[in-house]
Amino acid sequence: AQSVTQLDSHVSVSEGTPVLLRCNYSSSYSPSLFWYVQHPNKGLQLLLKYTSAATLVKGINGFEAEFKKSETSFHLTKPSAHMSDAAEYFCVVSDHMRFGAGTRLTVKP
Amino acid sequence: EPEVTQTPSHQVTQMGQEVILRCVPISNHLYFYWYRQILGQKVEFLVSFYNNEISEKSEIFDDQFSVERPDGSNFTLKIRSTKLEDSAMYFCASSADRVTYEQYFGPGTRLTVT
Repeated sequence: AQSVTQLDSHVSVSEGTPVLLRCNYSSSYSPSLFWYVQHPNKGLQLLLKYTSAATLVKGINGFEAEFKKSETSFHLTKPSAHMSDAAEYFCVVSDHMRFGAGTRLTVKP
Repeated sequence: EPEVTQTPSHQVTQMGQEVILRCVPISNHLYFYWYRQILGQKVEFLVSFYNNEISEKSEIFDDQFSVERPDGSNFTLKIRSTKLEDSAMYFCASSADRVTYEQYFGPGTRLTVT
């Protein structure tokens, strides 16, 4: 069975500082992994995906994530947070699209 | 850019009533999904649908639930006799293939059962 664990339920950063949202996965085979973002009262938007190609994946809005098989991790990063990044972020593993519990990102001015 | 749409955005119903939630997936997509998110909880997979039949379903998707693709564009989720605990946000998603599992989500329907 596949699962994901998002290690932080809430992350707070200041505008202009780096963002790190942590995700560990469990899978008996090489998974596909995704990060989705959900802004208040909006649907889920795909940020980026890993599907066994390059381990460093670049997504939209300056986000990227690195697949590390040895650490079973797929952490999401961004060098410099923007106020508009404040949202809920979900790490997701295939194939039943199992969602993590989510990390709420707050960006302080 | 093509997108998944869902109607209505908010549905209020009384316990025991039937509700139908509607979705229009992206037109060239072949795989369709429903998820729900109870307030404050994680997004949960309900069911996937391909080639006019259910391909997978979770333990949440019991006999009260059914899905249908009544025509070439709509994909519906029916809850036969709603319960208070069915109150949640319901998301529809579609994907072009099952290799990458890249799913595009609609904005959701908030179902409130009173």
